Amino acid sequence: GIQVEQSPPDLILQEGANSTLRCNFSDSVNNLQWFHQNPWGQLINLFYIPSGTKQNGRLSATTVATERYSLLYISSSQTTDSGVYFCAVEDGGTSYGKLTFGQGTILTVHP
Amino acid sequence: KAGVTQTPRYLIKTRGQQVTLSCSPISGHRSVSWYQQTPGQGLQFLFEYFSETQRNKGNFPGRFSGRQFSNSRSEMNVSTLELGDSALYLCASSPDNEQFFGPGTRLTVL
Repeated sequence: GIQVEQSPPDLILQEGANSTLRCNFSDSVNNLQWFHQNPWGQLINLFYIPSGTKQNGRLSATTVATERYSLLYISSSQTTDSGVYFCAVEDGGTSYGKLTFGQGTILTVHP
Repeated sequence: KAGVTQTPRYLIKTRGQQVTLSCSPISGHRSVSWYQQTPGQGLQFLFEYFSETQRNKGNFPGRFSGRQFSNSRSEMNVSTLELGDSALYLCASSPDNEQFFGPGTRLTVL
């Protein structure tokens, strides 16, 4: 099946710093989503981005499908950005409703 | 629109028992997927239902089963619980490709 690798596994920042999280995937995809998991476990949708670039406030994402990677940018980080960020993909075959998740990046933002 | 809801939110069971978890999708969404999250294995796909039909299944034993009703609500059942079934169970609904997740059910097996 498709493989998803996220880097770095851990990231520690001071408030106000910028960061880039990377997601590499091993095959063509129909769907790529970025999530932030809150302390209670809920996955919050950040971006649905199988290709191209999107921006939402301080967050932006870019997926280069032909090179099989996606990047999540967080600018001017805040302590509330802390948590686990997941990249998840649905491969280009008959993987109905099946997202394959990376292992996540644990982000800690210090005041 | 109301989001995806899951009940119960927390559950404690003992080994050998069975459990049923419920998921109500966002109105109009016909696809429901289930995932298990554990510290060791991360987030893993269990199965997906669309219009009451299971279209996809992950690599879990037959003790894990599910179904979907005509109103798109879904349930998953785990029989003969094992300690390793302790996990956060998440469901997601989708109108097409993008998935939206519920708050999860945290199951503890003692």
